[in-house]
Amino acid sequence: SAVISQKPSRDICQRGTSLTIQCQVDSQVTMMFWYRQQPGQSLTLIATANQGSEATYESGFVIDKFPISRPNLTFSTLTVSNMSPEDSSIYLCSVDLAGGGNEQFFGPGTRLTVL
Amino acid sequence: AQSVTQPDIHITVSEGASLELRCNYSYGATPYLFWYVQSPGQGLQLLLKYFSGDTLVQGIKGFEAEFKRSQSSFNLRKPSVHWSDAAEYFCAVGASGNKLVFGAGTILRVKS
Repeated sequence: SAVISQKPSRDICQRGTSLTIQCQVDSQVTMMFWYRQQPGQSLTLIATANQGSEATYESGFVIDKFPISRPNLTFSTLTVSNMSPEDSSIYLCSVDLAGGGNEQFFGPGTRLTVL
Repeated sequence: AQSVTQPDIHITVSEGASLELRCNYSYGATPYLFWYVQSPGQGLQLLLKYFSGDTLVQGIKGFEAEFKRSQSSFNLRKPSVHWSDAAEYFCAVGASGNKLVFGAGTILRVKS
């Protein structure tokens, strides 16, 4: 397994602003993922972030709204840009340690409220 | 495309009673299957996984799940539920690109 931390754990933001969420892993990993969990909903994959390449976004998510950085094998950031109340969600990062088999370990999440 | 169905949104069981949470998946090949648990205000914790081999898999916290290819199911079971098991449970299937596709989740309530 891995120890995954996220900052901030929660935040309340005004509409029109941006928030950057950090994800730190205690070991080097190739694949990192960002998910959104809207209130009362399941998890939806936003993008896959591999070190050394551009993030790959899922249908319905765009880089201008959710820019992602992956500067090294232990760290990634997700920015939620120009926020609206509809962006209020829990944002989770996860890592694939094995490099195959899809087994993922999740961070504790960032609870975002947009007013 | 891969998909996961968890038909029960809420389940309530008495403490000490047995539990079964249902999960059905859609996938063309042999799937990688997972159960995760999310306690209030927490991230997701992996309970167990199925990749291949024995169709009955054991996980943490006394949980087990059985893969039934003929029924496209991967139901989660526990013989005796504890109050601390109250949480939301997510079934997931592995998709291409090492992604996970999650079901809608089942909220488990435990009554004393």
